[in-house]
Amino acid sequence: SAVISQKPSRDICQRGTSLTIQCQVDSQVTMMFWYRQQPGQSLTLIATANQGSEATYESGFVIDKFPISRPNLTFSTLTVSNMSPEDSSIYLCSVGTSGGYEQYFGPGTRLTVT
Amino acid sequence: KQEVTQIPAALSVPEGENLVLNCSFTDSAIYNLQWFRQDPGKGLTSLLLIQSSQREQTSGRLNASLDKSSGRSTLYIAASQPGDSATYLCAVYGGSQGNLIFGKGTKLSVKP
Repeated sequence: SAVISQKPSRDICQRGTSLTIQCQVDSQVTMMFWYRQQPGQSLTLIATANQGSEATYESGFVIDKFPISRPNLTFSTLTVSNMSPEDSSIYLCSVGTSGGYEQYFGPGTRLTVT
Repeated sequence: KQEVTQIPAALSVPEGENLVLNCSFTDSAIYNLQWFRQDPGKGLTSLLLIQSSQREQTSGRLNASLDKSSGRSTLYIAASQPGDSATYLCAVYGGSQGNLIFGKGTKLSVKP
């Protein structure tokens, strides 16, 4: 298994600002994923962040809005840019084990945009 | 496109009752299926992982089954306890990026 931490755990931000969320894993992993969970909804993949390559975004998510960094095999950041109230969600970092078969999730970052 | 559906959306039971949560998926070509628990405002805790070649997995009072041909999985919780109250999410591995595709979850409430 993998132990994942995220910072911050929660934040309240003003419209038009940006927030960077950090994800730290206790072991080296190839595949890292960023998901969003809007209120009352299930999880939706934002992008996959693999070390040494550009992040791959799902349809409906763009790099200008959600830039991602993956500087090494244990760390990644997701930035939510130019925030609006519609960005209020829980953002979760996830990692895949070898072969990507089992995934583990961080505790999430609860973002409220006012 | 893979879609995952969970029924019921919410369930309330008295303590001690055995219960079944249902999950269905539209594309049977999955690698595995994973059940998670999510407490309010929190992240996800992995409960059980069933590989595509397996029929079921057990952990304590939890038992998950998988029927790929019919596109269904069930999570059986025996002797439910108030501490089991949470949202249970079913997810299949098979997204285009190796990601999980989630259902909307079943919100379980176990009354003392």
